[in-house]
Amino acid sequence: AQSVTQLGSHVSVSEGALVLLRCNYSSSVPPYLFWYVQYPNQGLQLLLKYTTGATLVKGINGFEAEFKKSETSFHLTKPSAHMSDAAEYFCAVTKNSGGSNYKLTFGKGTLLTVNP
Amino acid sequence: EPEVTQTPSHQVTQMGQEVILRCVPISNHLYFYWYRQILGQKVEFLVSFYNNEISEKSEIFDDQFSVERPDGSNFTLKIRSTKLEDSAMYFCASRGLAGAEQYFGPGTRLTVT
Repeated sequence: AQSVTQLGSHVSVSEGALVLLRCNYSSSVPPYLFWYVQYPNQGLQLLLKYTTGATLVKGINGFEAEFKKSETSFHLTKPSAHMSDAAEYFCAVTKNSGGSNYKLTFGKGTLLTVNP
Repeated sequence: EPEVTQTPSHQVTQMGQEVILRCVPISNHLYFYWYRQILGQKVEFLVSFYNNEISEKSEIFDDQFSVERPDGSNFTLKIRSTKLEDSAMYFCASRGLAGAEQYFGPGTRLTVT
């Protein structure tokens, strides 16, 4: 079975500061990893994904994440936070294997607050 | 940009009533999913659907739940006899033939009273 742990249910940063949202996963097979963002009263929007290849992946809105197999981590970063980044962020994992249904297993989410 | 849509945005129903939640996936997608998120909890997988049949379902998806693709565009989730614990946000998602990423709709908030 796969699982995702997001450390910190709530992260607060100042505008312009580094954003670091932590995600660790557990998977018995090579994973595909995703970050989704949910703005208030909206659905889940895909921020970025890791499937194969380059372990540092870039997404929308200046976010990036690095897949570290040895640490089973996929932390999300952004060098400089904007007020518009305030939202809830979800890390998700699925199996990278032939015939996979690609059902997603989500973490509990991290609420990001950006202070002026 | 194509997007997944869901209706209604909010549904209030009484315990024991049947509800149907509707989704219109992205038009060229072939894989369809339902997830739910109980307030304060994780987003949980319910069911996946491909080629007009369920490809996988979770323990949550018991006999009270069913899914259907009644035509070429809609994908529905039916709960036959709602319980208080069915109150949650229900998300529909779809995926194309290539790639593992799923695209989510805005959700339907179901409140069972």
